[in-house]
Amino acid sequence: DAKTTQPTSMDCAEGRAANLPCNHSTISGNEYVYWYRQIHSQGPQYIIHGLKNNETNEMASLIITEDRKSSTLILPHATLRDTAVYYCIVREVTNRDDKIIFGKGTRLHILP
Amino acid sequence: GAVVSQHPSWVICKSGTSVKIECRSLDFQATTMFWYRQFPKQSLMLMATSNEGSKATYEQGVEKDKFLINHASLTLSTLTVTSAHPEDSSFYICIPWKGRREAFFGQGTRLTVV
Repeated sequence: DAKTTQPTSMDCAEGRAANLPCNHSTISGNEYVYWYRQIHSQGPQYIIHGLKNNETNEMASLIITEDRKSSTLILPHATLRDTAVYYCIVREVTNRDDKIIFGKGTRLHILP
Repeated sequence: GAVVSQHPSWVICKSGTSVKIECRSLDFQATTMFWYRQFPKQSLMLMATSNEGSKATYEQGVEKDKFLINHASLTLSTLTVTSAHPEDSSFYICIPWKGRREAFFGQGTRLTVV
């Protein structure tokens, strides 16, 4: 089962920052938080990942709370092309089985 | 990012036939390969995990004799859907994986069984 919960859908105005929350209250110390997105009918795309510290790359920023029980993905200036389903994933690590388990994700609609 | 090639990108086959899907990691050696399928408007569901040179581990509810996975090398894995039926119509996606790193997905294969 997925170890994360996310809102089913969100709207964001074009040009504004999109803040997508994720709860992962049972995360363990060595597990990373990953974010992917899937644009309609395409394979998922990696966005960002982190362990404890906040992370930023050319696509987004990831803010992880101090207790690591939740995180927020921030798309600083959303465009229409950011309309997609966003998945927050906590990686399970059991020996060699580094599974990636997807939840239902958040469907983000960018409004013109 | 890493380059992953999944082929074919779409296929239509007749009920009862078999379909093979290839997944290649072009610029790194994947010790692990994950195969997923996605039904319309649903999330990605893990089907199986395979490690190079060993048998695949299938998730509960996935028939190993129907979905044959071969991970013969560190850069190639194949998924064969045997005796396909319309209910097998889905979007199949591979992830070649090596260690703690970001995942790069294949482009996906849309299978339609008629």
